[in-house]
Amino acid sequence: EVQLVQSGAEVKKPGESLKISCKGSGYSFTNYWIGWVRQMPGKGLEWMGIIYPGDSDTRYSPSFQGQVTISADKSISTAYLQWSSLKASDSAMYYCARLIVGAPGWFDPWGQGTLVTVSS
Amino acid sequence: DIQMTQSPSTLSASVGDRVTITCRASQSISSWLAWYQQKPGKAPNLLIYKASSLESGVPSRFSGSGSGTEFTLSISSLQPDDFATYYCQQYNSSPVTFGQGTKVEIK
Repeated sequence: EVQLVQSGAEVKKPGESLKISCKGSGYSFTNYWIGWVRQMPGKGLEWMGIIYPGDSDTRYSPSFQGQVTISADKSISTAYLQWSSLKASDSAMYYCARLIVGAPGWFDPWGQGTLVTVSS
Repeated sequence: DIQMTQSPSTLSASVGDRVTITCRASQSISSWLAWYQQKPGKAPNLLIYKASSLESGVPSRFSGSGSGTEFTLSISSLQPDDFATYYCQQYNSSPVTFGQGTKVEIK
């Protein structure tokens, strides 16, 4: 079974750093792009960026370029999303998802989500 | 960026109803469109890709159609498990973009 399992919920203060993870299993992790999607409370889905774990080729949505860093460690089939200095506006649910077909493509499956809460 | 606009934003329907959700793209995206279902507190789940291809395991009451700039997701006979929010997503060009969502509520 193809699965993406994300790290647990985080509560952080503004200005702190954070790295959340997404571990793939049941398929060849290096052969599929992984994407990150933000969902703010009560809102829709926003594509943040994608990474190809095979060679770490990374592409960002212009809206998120410079705001986050996407990385991957293919040796442990894990992708990451990180912030160097969190803001309250980063509070949201973050999903990773496997990209089908290419870049761009559609997403399947999705991780269960990681809730990030940033509050002083 | 390609803008995706769904209508309606909210839809009230009864079990057994046929429902249709529309997704319009700001420019032609050929058939590069996917549909997802999201239930409260859960991750989105793929229903349809390439505008009309049904994902394996998805009930046949779901269907997708359209090309170019106008697309529809139809549910032939609404079931209790189908009350959820539905999103379209274009993958014709980067950045991929999603519609704002359509919430299907119980009437």
